[in-house]
Amino acid sequence: QVRLQESGPGLVKPSETLSLTCTVSDSYISSGYYWGWIRQPPGKGLEWIGSIYFSGSAFYNGSLKSRVTISMDTSKNQFSLKLSSVTAADTAVYYCARLNGATNSYFDYWGQGTLVTVYS
Amino acid sequence: QSALTQPRSVSGSPGQSVTISCTGSNNDVGDYNYVSWYQQHPGKVPKLIIFDVSKRPSGVPDRFSASKSGNTASLTISGLQAEDEADYYCCSYAGSYSIVIFGGGTKLTVL
Repeated sequence: QVRLQESGPGLVKPSETLSLTCTVSDSYISSGYYWGWIRQPPGKGLEWIGSIYFSGSAFYNGSLKSRVTISMDTSKNQFSLKLSSVTAADTAVYYCARLNGATNSYFDYWGQGTLVTVYS
Repeated sequence: QSALTQPRSVSGSPGQSVTISCTGSNNDVGDYNYVSWYQQHPGKVPKLIIFDVSKRPSGVPDRFSASKSGNTASLTISGLQAEDEADYYCCSYAGSYSIVIFGGGTKLTVL
């Protein structure tokens, strides 16, 4: 049973950088899977933010690509999300998850999610 | 990348069947057999219920089935139960660089 846990500030000011970390337990992030971030604004749907492979290769949603960086720290079994220049539109529950499948396109294990509010 | 199109809401009575559609394009749903579906109860974490168009993870009841035709994927829930009331999201692989696209979500109400 893979466990994921998001951590990071719950409040971020506009124009600043949102930073979250996902700690993975009972599985190694270098084990050959992709790991990703998804967000969900209050009352709205899911949006894929990006994914990363243990090699360090990362792929991002085109609409966020200019502001997003996903990185990995295999020594801590963690991967991280940075989203720069945030606005109120970035207020959401942020989930980390493991991707699976031949094209690494479905999410089989999810963290509990963490609410990040952008406020001024 | 545009979100996949799902009906905002569907409803059905206990014991009935409902189908939720998910329409994409030739660049995602229509071109790949990698559609997944997620169930999300209010305030809860999304749960994978279908992957690779029609496969069910262990533990998901066979009341949940899914298929795809052209650019549209469908999730069917038969023998509706009160606990099936939730939001459902489809998701598709959309090509190189492991791009993933979600649908806007459908709220299922069990009457």
